[in-house]
Amino acid sequence: EAQVTQNPRYLITVTGKKLTVTCSQNMNHEYMSWYRQDPGLGLRQIYYSMNVEVTDKGDVPEGYKVSRKEKRNFPLILESPSPNQTSLYFCASSPIYPYNEQFFGPGTRLTVL
Amino acid sequence: SQQGEEDPQALSIQEGENATMNCSYKTSINNLQWYRQNSGRGLVHLILIRSNEREKHSGRLRVTLDTSKKSSSLLITASRAADTASYFCATALGANFGNEKLTFGTGTRLTIIP
Repeated sequence: EAQVTQNPRYLITVTGKKLTVTCSQNMNHEYMSWYRQDPGLGLRQIYYSMNVEVTDKGDVPEGYKVSRKEKRNFPLILESPSPNQTSLYFCASSPIYPYNEQFFGPGTRLTVL
Repeated sequence: SQQGEEDPQALSIQEGENATMNCSYKTSINNLQWYRQNSGRGLVHLILIRSNEREKHSGRLRVTLDTSKKSSSLLITASRAADTASYFCATALGANFGNEKLTFGTGTRLTIIP
């Protein structure tokens, strides 16, 4: 089944404790992206990647890191989480051309205390 | 500010009625997409309309695009309880601006009353 998976689905952590949220897709998509969703703000892009070893900042990259060492994986790293990073996070993937729709993962609900 | 803004923010209708929601955006686009999100879940792609298209249909969905007004509408006909969800428009910018980003609006919360 074609899908985007994220782990963990739920995470409660404390300020400053490094964490990684994994994202994997099995559709051989070049493009992958991370979003955060907050009430009243919709989805905002954090980082995106056009292909292996190619990443770029989205609208709200501060406090986050990403890497794209393999085509299928695009982990999101919070080196020192803070409470304002409490949010619902989504990973998505798509083929690059011709600017097709994005396939979303199920989401990761993160709470930083 | 958001590239796409949906209107209304919330909409409640009786089952069987039609639901219309609108999206306005600010800059030239390559395409505009509509997504559905059931509470707390991942977004599901509904329909994509390119800048050179004016109308597109998919089942009970009808999307229109007016590039002169920088606006789009999503019509859901004969609504069902299962259509209860949030609906988002998302714009992919034209080649001159770089098309790597898909910018989402804040969504319309649709409630279908049985």
